[in-house]
Amino acid sequence: SYELTQPPSVSVSPGQTARITCSGDALPKKYAYWYQQKSGQAPVLVIYEDNKRPSGIPERFSGSSSGTMATLTISGAQVEDEADYYCYSADNNGNQMFGGGTKLTVL
Amino acid sequence: QVQLVESGGGVVQPGRSLRLSCAASGFTFRSYAMHWVRQAPGKGLEWVTIISYDGSKKYYADSVKGRFTISRDNSKNTLYLQMNSLRAEDTAVYYCAKDRAEWPLYYWGQGTLVTVSS
Repeated sequence: SYELTQPPSVSVSPGQTARITCSGDALPKKYAYWYQQKSGQAPVLVIYEDNKRPSGIPERFSGSSSGTMATLTISGAQVEDEADYYCYSADNNGNQMFGGGTKLTVL
Repeated sequence: QVQLVESGGGVVQPGRSLRLSCAASGFTFRSYAMHWVRQAPGKGLEWVTIISYDGSKKYYADSVKGRFTISRDNSKNTLYLQMNSLRAEDTAVYYCAKDRAEWPLYYWGQGTLVTVSS
């Protein structure tokens, strides 16, 4: 079955750039979306359609996609960005799914 | 403002059934597709199912296909998830969620915990 693969963890120091990847065979044809989930809270959409930011999301969050890989970039990561991040997309049959999630540590 | 309030969670034995509800308010419920997403304790998000605005189209994750049924009552502004033949691995917080235009899964409820245990 189709899967979206993310690294389990990424760690950066405050002010550094964090990059979280998501790989999937359908990504060349399907958009990637990114969600941030802080402990005990519902997820928040931070990137949609590969590289667009919803209103209210800081400019340091950006997205890109090339071939079978999508990337969430947090430029100048801050302590408050520490959270779990999930990519979300669909396969060619329209089934929707999340990646396994990446725990971002900023310290 | 958009509000989604899930209910119906609890402890249930393996093999039994449970029905979750999601009461929606603050938007025209009958005009929007709705999702269920779950999260097992300490684990990642898992998309479960989606229903079209009029209930005519439904899609399921392979893990629940044939056991779970999504439905809606547009006259009551309520979304349902009928869960049959429950397994221990169905233990999770279940969220209902709604898209906002081109922003999928933008609005979320607070979730309801389902524990499958003997």
